[in-house]
Amino acid sequence: EPEVTQTPSHQVTQMGQEVILRCVPISNHLYFYWYRQILGQKVEFLVSFYNNEISEKSEIFDDQFSVERPDGSNFTLKIRSTKLEDSAMYFCASSRDTIPSDTQYFGPGTRLTVL
Amino acid sequence: AQSVTQLGSHVSVSEGALVLLRCNYSSSVPPYLFWYVQYPNQGLQLLLKYTSAATLVKGINGFEAEFKKSETSFHLTKPSAHMSDAAEYFCAVSGTGNNDMRFGAGTRLTVKP
Repeated sequence: EPEVTQTPSHQVTQMGQEVILRCVPISNHLYFYWYRQILGQKVEFLVSFYNNEISEKSEIFDDQFSVERPDGSNFTLKIRSTKLEDSAMYFCASSRDTIPSDTQYFGPGTRLTVL
Repeated sequence: AQSVTQLGSHVSVSEGALVLLRCNYSSSVPPYLFWYVQYPNQGLQLLLKYTSAATLVKGINGFEAEFKKSETSFHLTKPSAHMSDAAEYFCAVSGTGNNDMRFGAGTRLTVKP
């Protein structure tokens, strides 16, 4: 069964450093998403992406964040200058169509630790 | 804007007992509602979703949920808990034309032998 994959599974970085989190969505999916989950808190929507453009973003997704689909398979989340409060689990998801008509499939997540 | 509230951050049941996880929603548009499960160190897996086709929705692993507009609820149930059901459960909502989901805080289900 096709699945969303994410790399790395765990990333440790120093405050102020740039990080890039990588995702490979399911191959025939057209909509891509990033969510984050701070330890012990709810899953929060960050951004959705379709046709090489951001379609929606939350108030969390400020200028420090950017997303890109650099090729036909990868979908990345970049944090330009990490802060301590960026420490969280970051989930990528993809869907063939918009929700709710189609299901979002989630990857296993990348745990980002900012020191 | 949509939001969901999950009542009870932690629910504990005995194996074989009824599982009831509560979720109430708030939405200014017809809502679409979801239940996801998260096993330790894993991503989110969709259990079921409500998209206005039927108020009683059956999902995977024997779970079901009933949409009750009058109560603005979408509680998740399973008649008989199994040890493998121990996980974190998240209720989520989306609205027509929206492409983001808003999640609840989650309910951790513990199943005792």
